[in-house]
Amino acid sequence: EAGVAQSPRYKIIEKRQSVAFWCNPISGHATLYWYQQILGQGPKLLIQFQNNGVVDDSQLPKDRFSAERLKGVDSTLKIQPAKLEDSAVYLCASSPRDLGESEQYFGPGTRLTVT
Amino acid sequence: AQTVTQSQPEMSVQEAETVTLSCTYDTSENNYYLFWYKQPPSRQMILVIRQEAYKQQNATENRFSVNFQKAAKSFSLKISDSQLGDTAMYFCAFTFRTGANNLFFGTGTRLTVIP
Repeated sequence: EAGVAQSPRYKIIEKRQSVAFWCNPISGHATLYWYQQILGQGPKLLIQFQNNGVVDDSQLPKDRFSAERLKGVDSTLKIQPAKLEDSAVYLCASSPRDLGESEQYFGPGTRLTVT
Repeated sequence: AQTVTQSQPEMSVQEAETVTLSCTYDTSENNYYLFWYKQPPSRQMILVIRQEAYKQQNATENRFSVNFQKAAKSFSLKISDSQLGDTAMYFCAFTFRTGANNLFFGTGTRLTVIP
């Protein structure tokens, strides 16, 4: 079974530029999560999708961050414009159908550096 | 608010010895899961072990076991016969059993296994 795929693995941009990250969850997993992990901290949820609907985006800075999940499969996370404090690893995770299912499977993450 | 506290930023252990990582959490909910995740330098979060809060029996997974004290809201991880491949960041996390099930993470403990 293929795992959660993410691209790119690394990205360096200047502040005020835009950037997009892509995630392909495990086949059949209905729930998809984006986490932000700042250096030295644990991951923090940005947004959670159930199929192509948003379950929780309360921690997403909506003035600059946006996310979508097309057809309930792949997802993209965009930052526009980027700030220095957005430098972090962005982790995508997926879990099986039911919202009550507890196990999440993580991708390798995208390390973003904003200069 | 849900919080997870890992009070040991760094720990080290000799190869083949035993080490215990501490974790405390705070939630007013009664139904939840607890996890330990391992994050090696490759950044991929790997599930080490999980515990259902409604089960009194402590979970074990080969060399990994937990000491779950629900009343004290404590969830420590014991690694026996430590191996060099255990060197990584370890994150304690929990999620609710029902509803939106994003993970709440601690700040992590960096474990180094010394040959």
